Amino acid sequence: GQNIDQPTEMTATEGAIVQINCTYQTSGFNGLFWYQQHAGEAPTFLSYNVLDGLEEKGRFSSFLSRSKGYSYLLLKELQMKDSASYLCAVRDQDYQLIWGAGTKLIIKP
Amino acid sequence: ETGVTQTPRHLVMGMTNKKSLKCEQHLGHNAMYWYKQSAKKPLELMFVYNFKEQTENNSVPSRFSPECPNSSHLFLHLHTLQPEDSALYLCASSQVRGAVDEQYFGPGTRLTVT
Repeated sequence: GQNIDQPTEMTATEGAIVQINCTYQTSGFNGLFWYQQHAGEAPTFLSYNVLDGLEEKGRFSSFLSRSKGYSYLLLKELQMKDSASYLCAVRDQDYQLIWGAGTKLIIKP
Repeated sequence: ETGVTQTPRHLVMGMTNKKSLKCEQHLGHNAMYWYKQSAKKPLELMFVYNFKEQTENNSVPSRFSPECPNSSHLFLHLHTLQPEDSALYLCASSQVRGAVDEQYFGPGTRLTVT
């Protein structure tokens, strides 16, 4: 079966750095997405990786290793507004998105 | 504001009721999706419409019935639901065959079945 694993919950301190991991086992691979979802709101697109390596977008970076079936989302200079759930999703060989259950990130002052 | 709107935002219905959820996208996308989101579970894809044609129906019970009259509007008709259908129902749209094809989500309808 297809599976996406990510930690259920993480806690970090304002101003610090946090890394959220995602491992996947899917039928084929056509890209990996990270979304942010604040409580009671819609998921919003953060990043997309299809080739190995690091993609940087301001305070957020996303890394992919296709051979290891592994990705991480790195958040720097954490702010209280970064408290949210972070969803990892992989597009499989049929171009269907397989979703992880999300990681709830709690930021403490 | 993502360019995808959903109404109503909250809905409480009895098991014998019939109701409809509405989604509208203002992004000119050619694909629309219905998802179910339950607490601590992955998003469950329910239906996909590409160019107004239904291309996916992931074993969704017949008490959920989608309708896509045009590329901007999507409905989910509900009837004789069960308490386990209580969840957040999310609509999304995307531009299929784009370079990234990321999905844009609406704010969701919080459904409670009593």
